[in-house]
Amino acid sequence: GENVEQHPSTLSVQEGDSAVIKCTYSDSASNYFPWYKQELGKGPQLIIDIRSNVGEKKDQRIAVTLNKTAKHFSLHITETQPEDSAVYFCAARGYSSASKIIFGSGTRLSIRP
Amino acid sequence: GAVVSQHPSRVICKSGTSVKIECRSLDFQATTMFWYRQFPKQSLMLMATSNEGSKATYEQGVEKDKFLINHASLTLSTLTVTSAHPEDSSFYICSARDLAGGPQETQYFGPGTRLLVL
Repeated sequence: GENVEQHPSTLSVQEGDSAVIKCTYSDSASNYFPWYKQELGKGPQLIIDIRSNVGEKKDQRIAVTLNKTAKHFSLHITETQPEDSAVYFCAARGYSSASKIIFGSGTRLSIRP
Repeated sequence: GAVVSQHPSRVICKSGTSVKIECRSLDFQATTMFWYRQFPKQSLMLMATSNEGSKATYEQGVEKDKFLINHASLTLSTLTVTSAHPEDSSFYICSARDLAGGPQETQYFGPGTRLLVL
């Protein structure tokens, strides 16, 4: 089955700087890659996703890149703000209707003022 | 965007009792719902997949007789933790997906239910 690895487990950046979180997946059949932000005591919130027919997607300060050949995908947050502090999870899912979302281990992002 | 709700948001119960958690899709019909469990500082682990009108599919290592799932309608799935024990204390999160739009449809997560078993 699918296995998703995520790095780093913790990340601290200065406010205004960029943050990058990287993930790898094992199943070449996976073709949907969402990213979730989870604040303390809350459920995950979808912040951006990318499908395998594109290599990059951007939404304001957030961008995601996908390298299908290497089975890597990354989340980039630019101009970080205090409210970006949270745990971020990458995930992967295959195409079929029975496919399940498999989560990475999470990255705790802290923004230093 | 689509909204998924859970009730209750937190529950405390005595060891040996059963607890029911509800998951509702508020503005779409969820043909498939998923139940996850999350321990502190860990990732979300899928427990089971719930399809409307049929039996749930459980992940390896998840006891189906302990975690009863019912998906009786297109907007409601319930998870019942039977004979709860302290080790069942966790954050339970449901997720819903509308396959009417095809298998690529986005999956939305509920706010979670924190269960504490004393």
